[in-house]
Amino acid sequence: AQTVTQSQPEMSVQEAETVTLSCTYDTSENNYYLFWYKQPPSRQMILVIRQEAYKQQNATENRFSVNFQKAAKSFSLKISDSQLGDTAMYFCAFMNTGTASKLTFGTGTRLQVTL
Amino acid sequence: ETGVTQTPRHLVMGMTNKKSLKCEQHLGHNAMYWYKQSAKKPLELMFVYNFKEQTENNSVPSRFSPECPNSSHLFLHLHTLQPEDSALYLCASSQGQRGSESYNEQFFGPGTRLTVL
Repeated sequence: AQTVTQSQPEMSVQEAETVTLSCTYDTSENNYYLFWYKQPPSRQMILVIRQEAYKQQNATENRFSVNFQKAAKSFSLKISDSQLGDTAMYFCAFMNTGTASKLTFGTGTRLQVTL
Repeated sequence: ETGVTQTPRHLVMGMTNKKSLKCEQHLGHNAMYWYKQSAKKPLELMFVYNFKEQTENNSVPSRFSPECPNSSHLFLHLHTLQPEDSALYLCASSQGQRGSESYNEQFFGPGTRLTVL
């Protein structure tokens, strides 16, 4: 079974600064997807960024980028130029391509962006 | 309404009550999901429906009973719940799965905050 670990329950960053959220996972599979989801205080979960395991290039979406280290089973999220609207819970998630509908989530990191 | 909607947003019920949670998606999707989100625990996948057929039951107790009458609607019927069932219940939808290799993004609703007394 796959597991996803987020070791930082809470983090804080000042506006305009950069912050990195950590995620590690455990799997014996070679092909899979990794995700970062954001859940703002309003509770609607939205997808931030997605990475296919077979791609060596790290995914980027505007201010959001990942550092995907397949051998180390590490998948961190970097948020550049942090904004107040980035305040949210961030969940790392794993999906095995063999069971494409099944997401396995970590426990989340609560990020607070301050002035 | 757009996206994925859930009603009610908040629900308080006693252990002997029967209630239902409703989810509706306006995205033309064919797969729908129920997740349970408890404090300090990972989101737990409960049920998956793909083209109205249940394809996943993640060892959920029988006091939770899902129903998917059509591709746009998903219900979670609740009866004789326990206080430990108090949580945020999230619904999600995606394009239906035709093959095991395909990936379809899941879109989440705002959730129903359930409190069992």
